[in-house]
Amino acid sequence: AQSVTQPDIHITVSEGASLELRCNYSYGATPYLFWYVQSPGQGLQLLLKYFSGDTLVQGIKGFEAEFKRSQSSFNLRKPSVHWSDAAEYFCAVGVSSNTGKLIFGQGTTLQVKP
Amino acid sequence: GAGVSQSPSNKVTEKGKDVELRCDPISGHTALYWYRQSLGQGLEFLIYFQGNSAPDKSGLPSDRFSAERTGGSVSTLTIQRTQQEDSAVYLCASSLGTGVTGYTFGSGTRLTVV
Repeated sequence: AQSVTQPDIHITVSEGASLELRCNYSYGATPYLFWYVQSPGQGLQLLLKYFSGDTLVQGIKGFEAEFKRSQSSFNLRKPSVHWSDAAEYFCAVGVSSNTGKLIFGQGTTLQVKP
Repeated sequence: GAGVSQSPSNKVTEKGKDVELRCDPISGHTALYWYRQSLGQGLEFLIYFQGNSAPDKSGLPSDRFSAERTGGSVSTLTIQRTQQEDSAVYLCASSLGTGVTGYTFGSGTRLTVV
């Protein structure tokens, strides 16, 4: 069965430091991959997505992610974290182009220290 | 509308009562999804509507849960005889086409069953 694993439940980084959030997926074919961010009390906002082509994708708010087929990974990165990046981050895989149904990871909570 | 609108934003109900949660998707979005986010959990797919096609109900956890979408627009998620384990945030999302381009989420309805 398809699944998404975010190994880190909680991460704390200092403001200005670099960030990498890990995501591993289990899916037989080429997946559609997404990262969403959820600020407290808010819905989820799409940060970036990968369908095909260039394996390094750029998103909003200075985030990027790299698809590595050999590692079944889609890690999210940001070179310099801002205090406003504190939120919960969800990785998701789209398992069918017909339905758009997504399988979400458990989420990683990012705390930013001043 | 400009975004996905959900109402109410918060709902407290007594165990055994029925509740209705409403989702008003972005105008023109043909696909509509309901997900459930329980405390400390990722997002759990509930149901998917696409145009006039039969909905994908594969994620509904029990027959106490049902949903409809009238006129291809507004959707209502109904939970009958609510139980404490139904307490969660219920998120609605909509998208153009099949949704593999990514969703736009609403802010959710926080349901508390006491």
